[in-house]
Amino acid sequence: DQQVKQNSPSLSVQEGRISILNCDYTNSMFDYFLWYKKYPAEGPTLLISISSIKDKNEDGRFTVFLNKSAKHLSLHIVPSQPGDSAVYFCAASAHNDMRFGAGTRLTVKP
Amino acid sequence: EAGVAQSPRYKIIEKRQSVAFWCNPISGHATLYWYQQILGQGPKLLIQFQNNGVVDDSQLPKDRFSAERLKGVDSTLKIQPAKLEDSAVYLCASSAQGVMDSPLHFGNGTRLTVT
Repeated sequence: DQQVKQNSPSLSVQEGRISILNCDYTNSMFDYFLWYKKYPAEGPTLLISISSIKDKNEDGRFTVFLNKSAKHLSLHIVPSQPGDSAVYFCAASAHNDMRFGAGTRLTVKP
Repeated sequence: EAGVAQSPRYKIIEKRQSVAFWCNPISGHATLYWYQQILGQGPKLLIQFQNNGVVDDSQLPKDRFSAERLKGVDSTLKIQPAKLEDSAVYLCASSAQGVMDSPLHFGNGTRLTVT
């Protein structure tokens, strides 16, 4: 039952360039979407979120885009920094039932 | 504010043994969650408490897993008996209200290895 999918297990980008992480979902009832960032041996921490009534939310270097018709969201990080290297989980929620993707490991090379 | 506290950080047991994990949520957070994260997968919800009542335990393998949240604060998750496939990181999270009002705050997790 994979309602949230992150098809790229890993991504490597050069420092200063843009990182684009993608996420697809199948449940049209999801109304709130989140990106969590996870460092090794730590719990996930909320990075940015977006409600289904919006198509874009920006917070500094991080922007989340939501395309409801395609059931797709993406996280853009620009410019990427080495400290952004982590695993990024996409999550989607309906009625407080949250589902997570399998994660994408981002590596930002100096 | 102090974060979600979990213990132990690591646990290694043999199959068929029992194990218990403890979680102390952020003070005042009414909702508490236990997630299982198997290597290479995203966190999967096992059980959700609202105060000391269970909201959702549909994905909890009730033949071997149990959880309680006495007095609506701390929570324990128990596995008895453990199987090899239970090897995972067990994450506790809490939120003040629902997801949209107050996103989840996660603890650092307990890494369980079953041999």
